[in-house]
Amino acid sequence: AQKITQTQPGMFVQEKEAVTLDCTYDTSDPSYGLFWYKQPSSGEMIFLIYQGSYDQQNATEGRYSLNFQKARKSANLVISASQLGDSAMYFCAMREVGGFKTIFGAGTRLFVKA
Amino acid sequence: GAGVSQSPSNKVTEKGKDVELRCDPISGHTALYWYRQRLGQGLEFLIYFQGNSAPDKSGLPSDRFSAERTGESVSTLTIQRTQQEDSAVYLCASSQVTGSHYGYTFGSGTRLTVV
Repeated sequence: AQKITQTQPGMFVQEKEAVTLDCTYDTSDPSYGLFWYKQPSSGEMIFLIYQGSYDQQNATEGRYSLNFQKARKSANLVISASQLGDSAMYFCAMREVGGFKTIFGAGTRLFVKA
Repeated sequence: GAGVSQSPSNKVTEKGKDVELRCDPISGHTALYWYRQRLGQGLEFLIYFQGNSAPDKSGLPSDRFSAERTGESVSTLTIQRTQQEDSAVYLCASSQVTGSHYGYTFGSGTRLTVV
C-alpha cells in the first residue's frame, strides 16, 4: 500500500534562509508522481511542484526545489530565501502513474520568523 | 469558472440532520475529487469522479456519505444523519486529466461543524 510520511510536525526558519521539509514515501509501483502542496491559513490548497519517478533531474519551480532520492524513497521540499508569506502547512503527496487517487502526508507547519 | 468553487464556505448543523455540500469544478476539468480534512490532520480521500465513468467511492467512511456528479460539472456531497465526528473541512479538487503530472486545483473548502 502507498504511504507518505512527514516526520516534522513543525519547523521554524529565519526569513531569507533556506529550509528543507522532509518527506518519505512507500510504494510498490515503479511509476509514480510526487507532489507538494501549500496550505496557508486561508485553507486553500496550492499545488507547488511535481516530480516524476523517472525524471532524471530534480524538479524546480522558482524558489521551490524537490530533492528527489529515489533509492531512499525521499522527496524533500527545499524552499530557498524564505519569505514571511511562506508560513503555512505543507503537504507531500503521491499518485501512481495511471492512477487517480492522490494520498497525502500529515503535513508540516512552517513558521518563518522576521 | 476561474477556480474551483465550493459552497457553503461554512455550515453549522445539528447532529442527526442531513447536509449537502456543493462543488463547481474548473470548466474542462474531467476529474473531480472530494477529500476530508479533520482539524490539524492531513487529507483523507473520499471519492473520485472521472467523466462519465462510474465513480470510485472507496474512501467514503460510511453509507451516510454519498456523492453525485452531473457529467463533468457540479458535484454534491451529501452526509445523512450527521454525527459530531463528521466535523471537518471538506475539500473539493479538480484536474484536467488523471494519471499525469497535473496537480489538483482545490477549492477553499466547506467547514462543517456538527453540534
